[in-house]
Amino acid sequence: GAVVSQHPSWVICKSGTSVKIECRSLDFQATTMFWYRQFPKQSLMLMATSNEGSKATYEQGVEKDKFLINHASLTLSTLTVTSAHPEDSSFYICSAQTSGVKAQYFGPGTRLLVL
Amino acid sequence: KQEVTQIPAALSVPEGENLVLNCSFTDSAIYNLQWFRQDPGKGLTSLLLIQSSQREQTSGRLNASLDKSSGRSTLYIAASQPGDSATYLCAVLIQGAQKLVFGQGTRLTINP
Repeated sequence: GAVVSQHPSWVICKSGTSVKIECRSLDFQATTMFWYRQFPKQSLMLMATSNEGSKATYEQGVEKDKFLINHASLTLSTLTVTSAHPEDSSFYICSAQTSGVKAQYFGPGTRLLVL
Repeated sequence: KQEVTQIPAALSVPEGENLVLNCSFTDSAIYNLQWFRQDPGKGLTSLLLIQSSQREQTSGRLNASLDKSSGRSTLYIAASQPGDSATYLCAVLIQGAQKLVFGQGTRLTINP
């Protein structure tokens, strides 16, 4: 089956620093990738849609200057949390969409803790 | 606006039982419907995808059906096992859209 990886799986950082999370589709090409965040015991919340070679589309209420998304290749998208604060602590999950049937496959998630 | 509803919100059954999870959606103009499971602290695992032209898909002990005209999908789990315990999510991809619309999930517990 289609596999999506994320790196790192967890990260602890100090307030004010930036953190980059990578999302890779390992065995398929994905023109479209998605970034979600999930707070404990809550549903997934879509943050942005990332299309290869173009600017990401952010959901309402998501600060594009704080959550920088780059989708430079058909297998890699990155999310950078800039000047992270404790309220940014969350579980970040990416997904990649196949062409044709447009199935979405999710990465294992990245747990971010900002101290 | 597409809305996806999953019933029940939580379900607890003894091991070995067959069970059905329900998903309904308000707009029948869908491209596909996917069922996922999420284990605590993990990402989502894709279980089955049904394209809009299909009626059902099967994988092992899982069978998903789709009735687009009535806006319903069911996930049937046969001979449930404790390892099936997880939150099950259904999500639809609307025609012409890119993002999935998720239901709130059904939290399933299989008791040994």
